[in-house]
Amino acid sequence: KAGVTQTPRYLIKTRGQQVTLSCSPISGHRSVSWYQQTPGQGLQFLFEYFSETQRNKGNFPGRFSGRQFSNSRSEMNVSTLELGDSALYLCASSLASTSGRANSYEQYFGPGTRLTVT
Amino acid sequence: GENVEQHPSTLSVQEGDSAVIKCTYSDSASNYFPWYKQELGKRPQLIIDIRSNVGEKKDQRIAVTLNKTAKHFSLHITETQPEDSAVYFCAARGPGGATNKLIFGTGTLLAVQP
Repeated sequence: KAGVTQTPRYLIKTRGQQVTLSCSPISGHRSVSWYQQTPGQGLQFLFEYFSETQRNKGNFPGRFSGRQFSNSRSEMNVSTLELGDSALYLCASSLASTSGRANSYEQYFGPGTRLTVT
Repeated sequence: GENVEQHPSTLSVQEGDSAVIKCTYSDSASNYFPWYKQELGKRPQLIIDIRSNVGEKKDQRIAVTLNKTAKHFSLHITETQPEDSAVYFCAARGPGGATNKLIFGTGTLLAVQP
């Protein structure tokens, strides 16, 4: 199976602009979670989408939003970019099955999108 | 709030020695604890995980132990090799069935000296 993919891999934006990042999960995976990784704050949870619904959200401002499509692909959007939004944005996909299968909780990360805000 | 503490932040060992990384979580309802390895410029890679109903799990040279009472879990790497050099992150999954939220530790930079 193909792994998790993210586009674009690198992005440079200016303060005040908005950006949309895309994530394609592993085939059959229904859950997509987004994380922000920075040297200072480490890996922080942004939100999770499951069956096109956001079912959990981290402590980020409303400028950060996302959605999931019927094919489980997900996008996240950051509006009114700030310098502090510069980070590696990672998405992770999971089977998230309710069958109790041992691998239901496993999350596999994409390569990330490196966002630089100038 | 939810928190995962990870120690040490850096660890240097000689090739062939063992390495141990320890984590403590705050939410007693957490039920799943994965470990990720991240090499420079690459994505975090899931290397081993453990559920709250298991005390220990092994996979070749790596093992994870969980002490639910103390809310501690640890990663053990035996016979370390230079290719084990990376940043290792522990994480705890939030409680309940309807979440995949992972709370990560701050990472341990492991350097294996040849």
